[in-house]
Order: sequence, then structure tokens, then C-alpha cells
Amino acid sequence: DTGVSQDPRHKITKRGQNVTFRCDPISEHNRLYWYRQTLGQGPEFLTYFQNEAQLEKSRLLSDRFSAERPKGSFSTLEIQRTEQGDSAMYLCASWIQETQYFGPGTRLLVL
Amino acid sequence: DQQVKQNSPSLSVQEGRISILNCDYTNSMFDYFLWYKKYPAEGPTFLISISSIKDKNEDGRFTVFLNKSAKHLSLHIVPSQPGDSAVYFCAAENSGGSNYKLTFGKGTLLTVNP
Repeated sequence: DTGVSQDPRHKITKRGQNVTFRCDPISEHNRLYWYRQTLGQGPEFLTYFQNEAQLEKSRLLSDRFSAERPKGSFSTLEIQRTEQGDSAMYLCASWIQETQYFGPGTRLLVL
Repeated sequence: DQQVKQNSPSLSVQEGRISILNCDYTNSMFDYFLWYKKYPAEGPTFLISISSIKDKNEDGRFTVFLNKSAKHLSLHIVPSQPGDSAVYFCAAENSGGSNYKLTFGKGTLLTVNP
């Protein structure tokens, strides 16, 4: 257990629905990262926060994706109008001293 | 354009023997490297890291070697144990940049046979 939690662990949704995932990082870590992992691939960077500021977004993050980190604590990742191609594991990571510690991930299946 | 490559999708070794997992990178700006272990349906677990100012870092059964001129690193596990069976990811970052985002390889599935 890294101390990073994610909720839910699994989500099945129908195409076109909206979904939201939550990440609770290690409390003293001020940087939080989101990655996406699809089958046979390594995790791919989506976005990151330093405290409450979202500082970088990957081009993988289409305008259907939005992430927030209110008050610099937990973070949410929302996907609007889900597509089958959004099916993946969404990973959150907490950063300290050049090392990222990952949560268990949320596995999303879009039918 | 894959900047971090793990060319062996899988590796099988006998318990007690050495496991060697390899990783190559192309981006010369990468200066910090990490290895993660991942079980199915779980997030990656940090194993060991190495800065580009070093060529070796050791932690228990795990040793990472870095050859900067060849842009190559390897993870040695000795002795290998059945519980080491998992997917291993190599990751790289540019610590001189401001974002510390990780670039991952596709992973190598290690199977340790009893």
C-alpha cells in the first residue's frame, strides 16, 4: 500500500455517459499525476498538478477530459461522453523527491 | 516515437537464478530512471531508481545498471523468487525539466518458475 487511494477501482459504463474518478494522494506530497494505461502499453502521462494548479496537459487529454484538484488535496478526473476507446486503467501518482508512487488504479470499461 | 523501449515482452527464469531485464532510451535529456513492478489489476509499485550521475544502484536483491553512452539500463534480480513474477516497467524522466513526468516502456513480463 503506497498510501495513494483511488475510487472506484472498477467502473463499467455505457458509451456516451459521463464518469468521474477520484484520487487521494499522500497528504504531504504537493504534486499529483494522472496516467492512462491500455493493454500492452506502459502508462502514458495525461496531466499533473502542483498543489491546486494544473500545470501541464498531454495531447491525449481531449476536451472531453477534465481534471481538478480543489484545495490541493484530492483530485478528480472526469470523462464526458465516454467512447469505447476510453476503456483503460487510469492511474494516479503522488510525487516526492523525483519518485512517483502510484495508486491501485481505476479500470474503466466503456460498452 | 517510443522514447523508452523494452524490447523483450517476456522473460522466463528458474527460481534462484538471475533475472536481467533490459531497457533502452533515445532521449538524451532523460537523467533519472526508475523501475516499477506491476501485478494485474494493481498500480505500479516503485522498485528502484538511478540518477544519471551513477552507473549502479543496489537495493537488496535488486540492482540497476546504467550505461549512459549506450543509453541502456538493466535491472538485475538475484536470486529470483516466484513472487517476483510480474510485469516490470522501465521509466525515465528529465529531472532538469519542471514537470518530472515519467515516460514508460511497454513492460516485460517476468515469470519465475519454481
